[in-house]
Amino acid sequence: DAGVIQSPRHEVTEMGQEVTLRCKPISGHNSLFWYRQTMMRGLELLIYFNNNVPIDDSGMPEDRFSAKMPNASFSTLKIQPSEPRDSAVYFCASSFRGGSTEAFFGQGTRLTVV
Amino acid sequence: GESVGLHLPTLSVQEGDNSIINCAYSNSASDYFIWYKQESGKGPQFIIDIRSNMDKRQGQRVTVLLNKTVKHLSLQIAATQPGDSAVYFCAENKGGNYQLIWGAGTKLIIKP
Repeated sequence: DAGVIQSPRHEVTEMGQEVTLRCKPISGHNSLFWYRQTMMRGLELLIYFNNNVPIDDSGMPEDRFSAKMPNASFSTLKIQPSEPRDSAVYFCASSFRGGSTEAFFGQGTRLTVV
Repeated sequence: GESVGLHLPTLSVQEGDNSIINCAYSNSASDYFIWYKQESGKGPQFIIDIRSNMDKRQGQRVTVLLNKTVKHLSLQIAATQPGDSAVYFCAENKGGNYQLIWGAGTKLIIKP
């Protein structure tokens, strides 16, 4: 398996534009996580899906953020409209079961909003 | 890629020496304690975990020690190699819950 695949690797966009980040989890994994990492706040869990269903989105910072998982092999994180303070590295991770400590992370998407 | 705060603790170790990275945790009810490694430009990578009912667990070149009395977790890396250079995060998992609570991280630098 190629691991968790995220796209794009880098995204530079202007403030106010819509941004969509994509993730393909490892085949067979039933849990998917979206994280944000910044220098100031470290790693923050944004949302967690189990069997394609959002379980906890309490980490989503604002209504500007939304995440979907239409099937077991694909998830998106959308920011609309984007703001400079959204600049961060966004990671997607997947695991086999919700309580697992071994989550597999993608390479991340570095988002810069100017 | 940038993954750590400006005030991230740093540990410098001579190549070949053993490294000990420490972490204090907060929740006595956590079920698992975990170590992740993050290399520059990559996502975190699982290293090893330990259940709360254990005090020591060994892996390949790594040992994790758990002291529940003082809520302290440590990661020992034997014979440190240049490839061990990374930021190391401890995390705790609360009672089977999915949510990992992450520490701030420690940057390990290997001196040649």
